[in-house]
Amino acid sequence: SQQGEEDPQALSIQEGENATMNCSYKTSINNLQWYRQNSGRGLVHLILIRSNEREKHSGRLRVTLDTSKKSSSLLITASRAADTASYFCATDPYNQGGKLIFGQGTELSVKP
Amino acid sequence: NAGVTQTPKFRVLKTGQSMTLLCAQDMNHEYMYWYRQDPGMGLRLIHYSVGEGTTAKGEVPDGYNVSRLKKQNFLLGLESAAPSQTSVYFCASSYRLGLAGGHSYYEQYFGPGTRLTVT
Repeated sequence: SQQGEEDPQALSIQEGENATMNCSYKTSINNLQWYRQNSGRGLVHLILIRSNEREKHSGRLRVTLDTSKKSSSLLITASRAADTASYFCATDPYNQGGKLIFGQGTELSVKP
Repeated sequence: NAGVTQTPKFRVLKTGQSMTLLCAQDMNHEYMYWYRQDPGMGLRLIHYSVGEGTTAKGEVPDGYNVSRLKKQNFLLGLESAAPSQTSVYFCASSYRLGLAGGHSYYEQYFGPGTRLTVT
């Protein structure tokens, strides 16, 4: 069964606005990762946050992790039309040898 | 570096036919994975490999077989295709980013996908 559940399933915003996507998971994790998928393409790694970290930044991306609530959020600031894609969270459970469990994804549409 | 490549990009099969999907990576990664992606289901792990000559089952292994005879290649086979196997298949490879607190960290690199239709 899927570990991660993402919310919302779809999000439509205007260019320049911020986009927030949430991910909840069920079991203890080693780390949580966010990936991006453009239409018809493979997934691309965006950012990794370890279980002992609470917040991480990378350019316009900000990721938070709350292990007590088993949840994470991805914030994209000052969105651009080129950010239009699906975004997936992936959890890395303990002792799973690098296997990731992916959520169902959030489909983000940024309108110019 | 080509990264992770998949062959073929598209394929249409009839029920009962067999085929093999090829995944190749040129990054010397130890770990390789096969996923399927269906609408509303996210990615589900079919099989994976932690090194040359090893394979293991993932979440949805039934109807598929895999082989990792060479480190750079991971093959996914469908012996008797069924319409339920219509999907987009992604291969990925990973390496250990680092070790901290006794735990290893991995990042996966994905291929462009193979769109398979079984009629």
